[in-house]
Amino acid sequence: EAGVAQSPRYKIIEKRQSVAFWCNPISGHATLYWYQQILGQGPKLLIQFQNNGVVDDSQLPKDRFSAERLKGVDSTLKIQPAKLEDSAVYLCASSLAGTGSEAFFGQGTRLTVV
Amino acid sequence: AQKITQTQPGMFVQEKEAVTLDCTYDTSDQSYGLFWYKQPSSGEMIFLIYQGSYDEQNATEGRYSLNFQKARKSANLVISASQLGDSAMYFCAMREAYSGGSNYKLTFGKGTLLTVNP
Repeated sequence: EAGVAQSPRYKIIEKRQSVAFWCNPISGHATLYWYQQILGQGPKLLIQFQNNGVVDDSQLPKDRFSAERLKGVDSTLKIQPAKLEDSAVYLCASSLAGTGSEAFFGQGTRLTVV
Repeated sequence: AQKITQTQPGMFVQEKEAVTLDCTYDTSDQSYGLFWYKQPSSGEMIFLIYQGSYDEQNATEGRYSLNFQKARKSANLVISASQLGDSAMYFCAMREAYSGGSNYKLTFGKGTLLTVNP
């Protein structure tokens, strides 16, 4: 079974530039998460999709971050314009529904804003 | 209030010894799930073990066991016979329903950095 795919693995941009990350979840997983993980901290949920609908985006900085999930499968997360404090690893995860379903994570995208 | 609290920023253990990583959680739900993940320096998040709130037995997976004390709202991870490859960040996480019931959030603690010494 293929895992969660993310690209790119690494990205370096200047502040005020824009950047986009892509995620392809495990086939059949209706729930998709985007987490931001700042160095030395735990993952913080940015946005959660159930199929192609948004379940929770309460911690997404909507003035600069946006995300969509096309046809309930792939997802993109965009930052425009980027700030220095956006430097982090962006993790995509997917899961089946239910309290007992573990989330499977991609390898993450390490973003550095200079 | 934090949903998941991991009070140990760092832990050290000698190779072949056992170590306990602490986790307490906060929820008013009756149905929830508790998870532990390992994150090596390479960055991937690796699922280790799961405990459901209704499970009466503590979960075990190989050298990992979860010491679940529901009344105290704690879900400590025990690693037996530590190996050098166990050196990593360890995250406790909780899955609970959003109000309204049919979708589930997954919240992580801040993690514990475990170092296994030879």
